[in-house]
Amino acid sequence: QVQLVESGGGVVQPGGSLRLSCAASGFTFSGYGMHWVRQAPGKGLEWVAFIRSDGSIGWYANSVKGRFTISRDNSENTLYLQMNSLRGEDAAVYYCVKGTRDFDNWGQGTLVTVSS
Amino acid sequence: DVVMTQSPLSLPVTLGQPASISCRSSQSLVHSDGNTYLSWFQQRPGQSPRRLIYKVSNRDSGVSDTFSGSGSGTNFTLKISRVEAEDVGVYYCMQGTHWPPFTFGPGTKVDIK
Repeated sequence: QVQLVESGGGVVQPGGSLRLSCAASGFTFSGYGMHWVRQAPGKGLEWVAFIRSDGSIGWYANSVKGRFTISRDNSENTLYLQMNSLRGEDAAVYYCVKGTRDFDNWGQGTLVTVSS
Repeated sequence: DVVMTQSPLSLPVTLGQPASISCRSSQSLVHSDGNTYLSWFQQRPGQSPRRLIYKVSNRDSGVSDTFSGSGSGTNFTLKISRVEAEDVGVYYCMQGTHWPPFTFGPGTKVDIK
């Protein structure tokens, strides 16, 4: 069965950096595009970034463009999100999600807290 | 960007009774490939979102047949034929036709009266 396990969340100061990881199993990782979606405390879902199956290109929400970078290592079945210049409004649970238009499997999420 | 709206935002329901959630998009979600990429997700309290319906009306494996999706163009509906206690949570629609960005509705909170 498909498993997506996020890690790397934690407390970071405004302006700081964090790298999230998502370990994938149960499917052919290299065959699927992957997303990061976030959810601020008590709020709705916000799409953050998407990367093609081969890792050749990523797309970003305007709110994170220029600060976040999505990448993947298909040899390690792992998705990443490098987050720089973090702001208070980036505080959220970050979910790793499988599929281009599918969004058919979600991880359990990892919590990012931005606080001084 | 495509804006997704949902109504109502809060839906108290009686166990065993039907429920319906509306989702509207700011532009048609019909893709040039002929598909309409409108999905519905359920988020139970304390859990990750889970996809229920894809491409308007296709139910995911393991999803109760009490859930159904319908609609076209810019107007879509999620129906629960008989609400059960485990259906409590927040329901989101999402469009995957015109991206980036992929956009979600604000969510509809379903709870029991």
